[in-house]
Amino acid sequence: DSGVTQTPKHLITATGQRVTLRCSPRSGDLSVYWYQQSLDQGLQFLIQYYNGEERAKGNILERFSAQQFPDLHSELNLSSLELGDSALYFCASSVDWGLSSGNTIYFGEGSWLTVV
Amino acid sequence: QQQVKQSPQSLIVQKGGISIINCAYENTAFDYFPWYQQFPGKGPALLIAIRPDVSEKKEGRFTISFNKSAKQFSLHIMDSQPGDSATYFCAVQRGGSQGNLIFGKGTKLSVKP
Repeated sequence: DSGVTQTPKHLITATGQRVTLRCSPRSGDLSVYWYQQSLDQGLQFLIQYYNGEERAKGNILERFSAQQFPDLHSELNLSSLELGDSALYFCASSVDWGLSSGNTIYFGEGSWLTVV
Repeated sequence: QQQVKQSPQSLIVQKGGISIINCAYENTAFDYFPWYQQFPGKGPALLIAIRPDVSEKKEGRFTISFNKSAKQFSLHIMDSQPGDSATYFCAVQRGGSQGNLIFGKGTKLSVKP
C-alpha cells in the first residue's frame, strides 16, 4: 500500500458528462501529480500541484482541470467526456516538488474511467 | 515524438534466468532514470533509480546499467522469479524540471516456473 488513496476505483459514465476523481496524498506529502494511463498512449503526465499551487502542466486537455485543497487532497475534473477519455487515472504524491534523490513519487491504485 | 523508447514490449523468461529490459532516450538534459514495476490492478511502484554520474546501480536482484554516451539504460533482473511477473516501465526526468516523469511504453514480463 503506497499510502495514496484514490476514489472512486471504477466509474462508468456517458459521453458529454462530467466526473470528479479524488486523491488523498500520503501523509506529509505536499506534491500531488495526476497521470493518465491508456493502452495507446501509455502513462502520461497531466498536471502537478505543490502545496495548493499548480507547479507543472503536461498533456492535460482543456476539458480537464485539477486543484489541490488546503488539506492537500486533490481533485481531477473531467468534463465533456469523450470515448477516448476512457483510461486509468493515477494520482501520485511526493514530499517535495522535484525528483531529487530521496524524493520518491508514490502512485495510488488508480481510478478506472469508462466512457460509454 | 517518443522521448523514451522501451524494448521489448513483452518478455518471457524461465525461473532463475536473467530478464533484461532496455530503454533509449533522446534528450541529454534528462538526469534521473527510474524503473517502475506495476502489478495488475495496482499503481506503478518505484523499483530502482539511477543518476547519470554512475554507470551501474544494484539493489538486490535488480541492476540498472547506464550508458550516457549511447543514451541508453537497462534493467537487469537476476534469478528471475514468478513473483517478478509484472509490467516494467522506464522513465526519465529532465534536470531542473518539476517531478513530472516521462515514461516508456512498458514491458510485460512473464517468468515461467
